[in-house]
Amino acid sequence: GQSLEQPSEVTAVEGAIVQINCTYQTSGFYGLSWYQQHDGGAPTFLSYNGLDGLEETGRFSSFLSRSDSYGYLLLQELQMKDSASYFCAVQRDDKIIFGKGTRLHILP
Amino acid sequence: DTAVSQTPKYLVTQMGNDKSIKCEQNLGHDTMYWYKQDSKKFLKIMFSYNNKELIINETVPNRFSPKSPDKAHLNLHINSLELGDSAVYFCASSRRTPHPSLHFGNGTRLTVT
Repeated sequence: GQSLEQPSEVTAVEGAIVQINCTYQTSGFYGLSWYQQHDGGAPTFLSYNGLDGLEETGRFSSFLSRSDSYGYLLLQELQMKDSASYFCAVQRDDKIIFGKGTRLHILP
Repeated sequence: DTAVSQTPKYLVTQMGNDKSIKCEQNLGHDTMYWYKQDSKKFLKIMFSYNNKELIINETVPNRFSPKSPDKAHLNLHINSLELGDSAVYFCASSRRTPHPSLHFGNGTRLTVT
């Protein structure tokens, strides 16, 4: 089987930096993705890591360590619009399996 | 211009009824999916089709039957609806290379009373 663990909630202050961690256990692992979902909306793709290391896209960065079965999403210069749920997802063979999501609360 | 569109957006029905949700993508992707998101926001894969062929069926009850008339469409038919089927159903599509990134439709909120 497979499992993904991420914190259920994280709170941070506007303008700050926050890191959302994800650990996974799965066979046939290909890569780790991150998705953002605002309340009432659809998940939207943020980033993908197939190899170890850091991927940067604007204010968002994502990291993967395959040997540790661990990754994180780093959000910098937090804005109120970043308040949302963030899901890590593993690509296993033809499947994309999602974690339970981390609700990010941002305080002004 | 909508990339992945699904209809209807809301569906309210009674137990025992049969209903369908339609999904279309204009991204030229080969793979389409159905995901179910429950009240705790857990996104669970239900089905995946690649070029009209079923490649993933995740222990979903037989009451759920996907149909893909062509690679741009993936519909979901649900028979004998139950209270526990209430959820948001998302259609998604992706290409396989360089890596699969899911493009989701806006979801169909199904409420079974």
